[in-house]
Amino acid sequence: EDQVTQSPEALRLQEGESSSLNCSYTVSGLRGLFWYRQDPGKGPEFLFTLYSAGEEKEKERLKATLTKKESFLHITAPKPEDSATYLCAVQARTSGTYKYIFGTGTRLKVLA
Amino acid sequence: DVKVTQSSRYLVKRTGEKVFLECVQDMDHENMFWYRQDPGLGLRLIYFSYDVKMKEKGDIPEGYSVSREKKERFSLILESASTNQTSMYLCASSLPTGVTEAFFGQGTRLTVV
Repeated sequence: EDQVTQSPEALRLQEGESSSLNCSYTVSGLRGLFWYRQDPGKGPEFLFTLYSAGEEKEKERLKATLTKKESFLHITAPKPEDSATYLCAVQARTSGTYKYIFGTGTRLKVLA
Repeated sequence: DVKVTQSSRYLVKRTGEKVFLECVQDMDHENMFWYRQDPGLGLRLIYFSYDVKMKEKGDIPEGYSVSREKKERFSLILESASTNQTSMYLCASSLPTGVTEAFFGQGTRLTVV
């Protein structure tokens, strides 16, 4: 069964304290892995797509990496405005098209 | 920019009411999705559609139906709302081929009392 697991569930960091979020997955035939940011009461906002093992993508203080079994979202010197829930998703084939399977997310709180 | 618009940010409905949640996208995407999001359970797929008048059940379709009469519009229908359908509902759209991200609407917070 296709599955996505994220850890930790919640993370509190001091401003400037770097850390990593984990996304492990089991999917038959990975086509792509996606990271989203979600602010409270809003829809997820797309951050990155990773296509194959070894790939890395960066955006400001965020860097996403991918291996054959997991992805990491590294946050370098975070700021309070980075506080959000970060969601990981994989694209899996289904009848006629593709669907997205999401993890439950990591709630990040960055303290000033 | 892709825009996915959900008709309401907040809704309060009574148990037993028929509820319509509307979603419109402006990027000519073939694929559209309805998810619900609950604490600790993440996003769960209710229904999706990969073409006009086509629909597929997701992981939790019970108590819901959908309608896609036009390519840009995908409606979620709660036939008889119940309190366990209180949730955040998210609509998304994507292209049908290739490795492509889904774009989400702002969400509808539905409370059934």
